[in-house]
Amino acid sequence: EDQVTQSPEALRLQEGESSSLNCSYTVSGLRGLFWYRQDPGKGPEFLFTLYSAGEEKEKERLKATLTKKESFLHITAPKPEDSATYLCAVQATSGTYKYIFGTGTRLKVLA
Amino acid sequence: GAVVSQHPSWVICKSGTSVKIECRSLDFQATTMFWYRQFPKQSLMLMATSNEGSKATYEQGVEKDKFLINHASLTLSTLTVTSAHPEDSSFYICSARVEGGLTNEQFFGPGTRLTVL
Repeated sequence: EDQVTQSPEALRLQEGESSSLNCSYTVSGLRGLFWYRQDPGKGPEFLFTLYSAGEEKEKERLKATLTKKESFLHITAPKPEDSATYLCAVQATSGTYKYIFGTGTRLKVLA
Repeated sequence: GAVVSQHPSWVICKSGTSVKIECRSLDFQATTMFWYRQFPKQSLMLMATSNEGSKATYEQGVEKDKFLINHASLTLSTLTVTSAHPEDSSFYICSARVEGGLTNEQFFGPGTRLTVL
């Protein structure tokens, strides 16, 4: 069964304190892995797509990496405005383009 | 680019009434749209895949007669919650995949907060 697990469930960081969020996945065949940011009461905002092991993507203070079993979202020197829930989703090669979402990591960055 | 809108952003209705939520892709065509439901502090739960010109594909456990989906054009999908009850209160979010795009990501609407009294 295809499955996505994110850890930690919640994370509190001081401003400037770098850390990483984990997304572990089990899927029959990976079409793509996607990272989103969601603010309270809003829809998810697209961040990155990763397609193959070894791939890396960067955007401002965020960097996403991918292996055959997991993905990491590295946050360098975070700011309070980075506080949000970060969601990971995978798309399997079989069938439709639907996502399998992880449970998310709620990040709080303290000033 | 790749903007998805939803209307209304929030709705309050009485138990037993039906509510329609619209999802539009504003600057691209979308053969496939998706409807999700999200409970507080939980992740998104896929309800159904909406296919333009054909019947929606519902996930296991989702009542298709309760949640009617119509995808009448390449830019519009609607979700109708029929005979709504308080347990249907939730945050409903749609997404769309760019048709013919080189990548497979979904772009999400801002969500609709439904409260059934």
